[in-house]
Amino acid sequence: AQSVSQHNHHVILSEAASLELGCNYSYGGTVNLFWYVQYPGQHLQLLLKYFSGDPLVKGIKGFEAEFIKSKFSFNLRKPSVQWSDTAEYFCAGYEADKLIFGTGTRLQVFP
Amino acid sequence: DGGITQSPKYLFRKEGQNVTLSCEQNLNHDAMYWYRQDPGQGLRLIYYSQIVNDFQKGDIAEGYSVSREKKESFPLTVTSAQKNPTAFYLCASSRTGGEQPQHFGDGTRLSIL
Repeated sequence: AQSVSQHNHHVILSEAASLELGCNYSYGGTVNLFWYVQYPGQHLQLLLKYFSGDPLVKGIKGFEAEFIKSKFSFNLRKPSVQWSDTAEYFCAGYEADKLIFGTGTRLQVFP
Repeated sequence: DGGITQSPKYLFRKEGQNVTLSCEQNLNHDAMYWYRQDPGQGLRLIYYSQIVNDFQKGDIAEGYSVSREKKESFPLTVTSAQKNPTAFYLCASSRTGGEQPQHFGDGTRLSIL
């Protein structure tokens, strides 16, 4: 069965630090991958998505992710985080009409 | 503005009681989903419906039931058979079952006393 894994469960950074959150998937076939963000007290929002084409995907709020097929990875990056990026981040893959979510990474950014 | 409305935001019930969580969308989406969110486990799919009057079990359907009598509504019932119902429940929708991404509601936090 396909799965999506996020190895960083809790990340703590200072403002202006660079961010990279790991995401690995374990299925073949057509790959559709997503990053969602859940800010405190808010609903899940889509950050970015990859369906095909350029493996470097740009999303909202300065986030980007790179699909590396050989590594089965879709890591999320941001060059300089802000306090407002404090949130929980979920990687997800889509197959057979279902979204499969990773366990999430809680990011805390301190001023 | 179009969106997904989940109510109530917080729900408390006694052990052994069934409870129904509401999810309404005015996005004219065909597909709707229910997820359960637990700390350290991410989101897990309970049930989903690709069209009115049809629904399928997700990965953790035991102890839950749903109905899809109207396109805009997809209520979830947590039955007394669900062994550990205390969790955060998220409803989502997408234009069709094969189209992503999904749009999410604000969630309902259910606590069993």
